[in-house]
Amino acid sequence: QSVLTQPPSVSAAPGQKVTISCSGRRSNIGNEFVSWYQQLPGTAPKLLIYDNNKRPSGIPDRFSGSKSATSATLGITGLQTGDEADYYCGTWDSDLNTWVFGGGTKLTVL
Amino acid sequence: QVHLVESGGGVVQPGGSLRLSCEASGFTFNSFGMHWVRQAPGKGLEWVAFIRYDGTSEYYADSVKGRFTISRDNSKNTLYLQMKTLRTEDTAVYYCAKDRYAMILRSFDDWGQGTLVSVSS
Repeated sequence: QSVLTQPPSVSAAPGQKVTISCSGRRSNIGNEFVSWYQQLPGTAPKLLIYDNNKRPSGIPDRFSGSKSATSATLGITGLQTGDEADYYCGTWDSDLNTWVFGGGTKLTVL
Repeated sequence: QVHLVESGGGVVQPGGSLRLSCEASGFTFNSFGMHWVRQAPGKGLEWVAFIRYDGTSEYYADSVKGRFTISRDNSKNTLYLQMKTLRTEDTAVYYCAKDRYAMILRSFDDWGQGTLVSVSS
């Protein structure tokens, strides 16, 4: 059971928009910065979003992040088949004194 | 361009030990915190450990505390993970990752390709 809760799977058609939620509590998302990671099949994870809503260089603006209270959301617009991957949220938990990841969400582009 | 290359994985019996290495290049290694993250077969990501830029402070997941030790040699641009008293549930691909910052755990900006550790009798 992950400290951060993500839906196991989401799906949408090419060109559409999808959102992936990440729910936590005050000790993690509520008071800390959230980051998001994309893991394509058979590859290492890659940073998509850091500090809640910032994109590293090279990440297209189709990817966006937001945070409200104890929840964070990853948004992906203009879906492409190449976006099919597992997506993870993560943050520091000040009660546990550890970094925590969500359980991951598998995105299917139908 | 940041490059992280893990090595040292393999098959080990329960109760055994193993030391992983991660050679870093393409950035000023002694200016950034570093992590180990693992992923069991077919499972999600699990953070394992973090070490500050200068090696003066470490953090561990409860699941490995007291058994694993993270360290770094800034003169060799290399990160290590010493694993002892290994259990079957430690079987995973182990990734090293660079943090965005020197002293705090904030985000995993760059990742290595991973090394597989298999604990089995």
